[in-house]
Amino acid sequence: QVQLVQSGAEVKKPGASVKVSCRASGYTFGSYYMHWVRQAPGQGLEWMGIMNPSGGSTRYTQRLQGRVTMTRDTSTSTVYMELSSLRSEDTAVYYCVRGTQERYPIYYMDVWGKGTTVTVSS
Amino acid sequence: QSVLTQPPSASGTPGQRVTISCSGSSSNIGSYYVYWYQQLPGTAPKLLIYKNNQRPSGVPDRFSGSKSGTSASLAISGLRSEDEADYYCAAWDDSLSGWVFGGGTKLTVL
Repeated sequence: QVQLVQSGAEVKKPGASVKVSCRASGYTFGSYYMHWVRQAPGQGLEWMGIMNPSGGSTRYTQRLQGRVTMTRDTSTSTVYMELSSLRSEDTAVYYCVRGTQERYPIYYMDVWGKGTTVTVSS
Repeated sequence: QSVLTQPPSASGTPGQRVTISCSGSSSNIGSYYVYWYQQLPGTAPKLLIYKNNQRPSGVPDRFSGSKSGTSASLAISGLRSEDEADYYCAAWDDSLSGWVFGGGTKLTVL
């Protein structure tokens, strides 16, 4: 079955960077895009961006442009999300979510990882 | 402030039918499909409805979605205690070139 296994919880200081991984299995890695979505404590969902694991192209939300980078390792079917210059407002659960084509170039979110908690605190 | 507007809460008794609304604009719901996600307490969201009114396999037919103009609705019939969760709508937004979510609706089964 389709699975997205994310890395463990992280605690970081303000100004540092964090890199979260998401290993995909149960489907052809390069045939689906991958989104990242975050959820601050007690808050709603925020879309961060999307990557094409096949070609490596990315699109980020303007709010995080310049601070977020999505990469992938096709040999291990793993995508990564790195967020830099962390601030307390970045404390959240970060989810990787598989993207299935609605119509080019829109990919809707179907299968979700369990989430990775990132805490930013001095 | 979320781009899509949902009521913060909804409630019903077992067996009842409840609806949750999601309001947007011409740059999102008015032009693109709407998706609904269910988030049970302490878990990751799960796709509940896709492309306005389609159910993924395994989702009971008690859940249904509809869209009209720049608004959409999720209906849950035959309400059960296990339906108590947060529900989010989502759509692609042309102006932002990204996905937008509603603020979420907390459903309580009384």
